[in-house]
Amino acid sequence: DAGVIQSPRHEVTEMGQEVTLRCKPISGHNSLFWYRQTMMRGLELLIYFNNNVPIDDSGMPEDRFSAKMPNASFSTLKIQPSEPRDSAVYFCASSLGQGAAGELFFGEGSRLTVL
Amino acid sequence: AQSVTQLDSQVPVFEEAPVELRCNYSSSVSVYLFWYVQYPNQGLQLLLKYLSGSTLVESINGFEAEFNKSQTSFHLRKPSVHISDTAEYFCAVSGLSGGYQKVTFGTGTKLQVIP
Repeated sequence: DAGVIQSPRHEVTEMGQEVTLRCKPISGHNSLFWYRQTMMRGLELLIYFNNNVPIDDSGMPEDRFSAKMPNASFSTLKIQPSEPRDSAVYFCASSLGQGAAGELFFGEGSRLTVL
Repeated sequence: AQSVTQLDSQVPVFEEAPVELRCNYSSSVSVYLFWYVQYPNQGLQLLLKYLSGSTLVESINGFEAEFNKSQTSFHLRKPSVHISDTAEYFCAVSGLSGGYQKVTFGTGTKLQVIP
């Protein structure tokens, strides 16, 4: 299996621009997570989908952030408008089952820099 | 609510010396416990996990962790480290919250193996 695939790996943009991060989970996994990693705050859960339905979005910072999962093999995380404080590495992870009773499989991350 | 505490942000250790990375957790429900490893510019990978049964769990590359319920700890140990073990290690707890298994990560411990 190819593992969790994220794109782009690196994104540099200017404040105010829209950013879209993409994720393809492992085939057959029905749980998908978006995390954000920064030096200051560590690893933060942004949103969790189960069977393509958002279950927990309490970690989404504010209305500028939105996430969708139109089907079992694709999810997006959008930031509009972007701000310098959004600079971070964004990880997508998938797992089999309800939530993460077992193992989370992470992508390699999308490093976002907002100037 | 559940939480994970990794008191040591960085641990330097000489090659072939033993190491212990500490992890304590707090939860009002039964939990599963994990250690993940993150190499530079990569996503997190599962190192080992405790779901049930024997309280001592081992990884394929010589790490072990022991679940201690009375002390609410899940410390990671290796009797002899290699240069290739240099990475950041994250302890995580998974417990039922809001109807699903929610994972909470610690802030990570950077293990630096010195030649």
